[in-house]
Amino acid sequence: ETGVTQSPTHLIKTRGQQVTLRCSSQSGHNTVSWYQQALGQGPQFIFQYYREEENGRGNFPPRFSGLQFPNYSSELNVNALELDDSALYLCASSSGQNYGYTFGSGTRLTVV
Amino acid sequence: KQEVTQIPAALSVPEGENLVLNCSFTDSAIYNLQWFRQDPGKGLTSLLLIQSSQREQTSGRLNASLDKSSGRSTLYIAASQPGDSATYLCAVLDSNYQLIWGAGTKLIIKP
Repeated sequence: ETGVTQSPTHLIKTRGQQVTLRCSSQSGHNTVSWYQQALGQGPQFIFQYYREEENGRGNFPPRFSGLQFPNYSSELNVNALELDDSALYLCASSSGQNYGYTFGSGTRLTVV
Repeated sequence: KQEVTQIPAALSVPEGENLVLNCSFTDSAIYNLQWFRQDPGKGLTSLLLIQSSQREQTSGRLNASLDKSSGRSTLYIAASQPGDSATYLCAVLDSNYQLIWGAGTKLIIKP
């Protein structure tokens, strides 16, 4: 059983650019969620997908968007990058509310 | 709006001591509560998951309790070791199926 894998592990982008982060869910998990974690803080919920449909969104602007694919892998897209978007982006998957979430190692995004 | 608070923000203890980390939440309408460990610059490792109907869960030297009515959870670590040094985060799965997080407790175990 493979866990949650995220790519890339590190990324440096210029302000105004666009970025796509990828996540492969753990086998058998149909729910995936994304979080932004600034240095020294707890993660902040961005959005969640269940069977390819968005079923929850946190307080993030529309330039943060996502997709979930039929194999339950997922992408997080961020347009018009800002310096404050620099953070660790975490992906988590779950097979249901009774089973908790499994997290990937994250993508460290630096916007310069 | 659900809010999660963790106290203390940082804790430093000698090796071998037993210790307790605290997590409180404002809305008791949760599905479960999960404790995680995070090493510097790394992702999150799940330690214990407590369903809303449960009172506690144990794994090795770790024991987590949940008192949903009072909005509190504790993580007890027995016989602490230097390898336990990390940031410990708690998160509740709220009524909207969103994980709401505390800011974490940074734990340092001194050899």
